[in-house]
Amino acid sequence: DQQVKQNSPSLSVQEGRISILNCDYTNSMFDYFLWYKKYPAEGPTFLISISSIKDKNEDGRFTVFLNKSAKHLSLHIVPSQPGDSAVYFCAASAPGTGNQFYFGTGTSLTVIP
Amino acid sequence: DTAVSQTPKYLVTQMGNDKSIKCEQNLGHDTMYWYKQDSKKFLKIMFSYNNKELIINETVPNRFSPKSPDKAHLNLHINSLELGDSAVYFCASSQNRGEKLFFGSGTQLSVL
Repeated sequence: DQQVKQNSPSLSVQEGRISILNCDYTNSMFDYFLWYKKYPAEGPTFLISISSIKDKNEDGRFTVFLNKSAKHLSLHIVPSQPGDSAVYFCAASAPGTGNQFYFGTGTSLTVIP
Repeated sequence: DTAVSQTPKYLVTQMGNDKSIKCEQNLGHDTMYWYKQDSKKFLKIMFSYNNKELIINETVPNRFSPKSPDKAHLNLHINSLELGDSAVYFCASSQNRGEKLFFGSGTQLSVL
């Protein structure tokens, strides 16, 4: 049973435009969310996080939005750059489950120059 | 200087063999993990160790045995390899449980 879902396997965006990557979750106990970026043949690298006490967190070109009532989070990248082309994973954790992270299946972002 | 390093990067082997993947972190983290990424790209936790103590052991065949000689190392030994074990295995670490993960570059295991 997949508790974190990324329903768009791929996304293409023109350079300079906004990229919006979406993530849905089913477990209302999740209270900490992460986004990871992964290049081919490399491990995922941490991008940005948000805890459930906030609804927005910003770091440079990257902003994560959390809508707890909809059990939905999104990652906005503005402006998108060709180097952003990678697979993006969202992950969530809840207390009481060993604080383990549950990952989505990823969205492959292609930024077209 | 690589923070989380795992070896080998590629592992090709025959069914029935036994193999090990090694992982080391130089971040001083207390918690280490093994994740498996299957053909559907689903990253799923297998094991978690905190200060050499097993804290998460998901439903994984007992052919998989993690070993943590110290808190900087978490190795994965797999007995009697099967075709379905083919996947990418990622080692990761975090300062404490529930904190952001730092991943190694992965080991692509192919069982023929």
